Amino acid sequence: DTGVSQDPRHKITKRGQNVTFRCDPISEHNRLYWYRQTLGQGPEFLTYFQNEAQLEKSRLLSDRFSAERPKGSFSTLEIQRTEQGDSAMYLCASSLNGRETQYFGPGTRLLVL
Amino acid sequence: AQTVTQSQPEMSVQEAETVTLSCTYDTSESDYYLFWYKQPPSRQMILVIRQEAYKQQNATENRFSVNFQKAAKSFSLKISDSQLGDAAMYFCAYRSPTLYSGGGADGLTFGKGTHLIIQP
Repeated sequence: DTGVSQDPRHKITKRGQNVTFRCDPISEHNRLYWYRQTLGQGPEFLTYFQNEAQLEKSRLLSDRFSAERPKGSFSTLEIQRTEQGDSAMYLCASSLNGRETQYFGPGTRLLVL
Repeated sequence: AQTVTQSQPEMSVQEAETVTLSCTYDTSESDYYLFWYKQPPSRQMILVIRQEAYKQQNATENRFSVNFQKAAKSFSLKISDSQLGDAAMYFCAYRSPTLYSGGGADGLTFGKGTHLIIQP
């Protein structure tokens, strides 16, 4: 296993721009999760996929956020019209199935100026 | 909704000593999962230990053990023989059981974390 990978690791953008992050889960893991972590806080759940189906979305996921997992492998998280409040670490995790442990990637740190 | 509370923002321990990190949670469910994750500075979050609520026996992983008190909704982490590499943020997390493969409240609910300092 190569672990969960995320790209980019850091992103600086200007307010109003769109950004897209990518997550590659551990191979054969059918569940993929997105979390957001702000400074001094624990991660907060955003959404998750089972294979290509997006099964749950948190109320934190506003209309400006969209996530996809088109072939049940990697996933993308897009934020449109970024705001300064979007500045955070975006974490991806994967698990083999619903009962198994979630393994986290290194995160993408977003700074919106 | 479930909540997880970590009442110790920061803890400090001497190297080789034992430290206990506290976690309480609130839930109306009877079956669930509890986790402790470690997040070293600028590094990714890794699982320390996991406990299934239906198991009465406390989980243990080498120097890490938990004290799971289901009635009290308490889930503390004990680190024995603390090492410099144990310095990190520690997060307690809760997850509902997945009742069916098609969905459910599968996301983890985290506490705010405890910053553990190891003094040499």
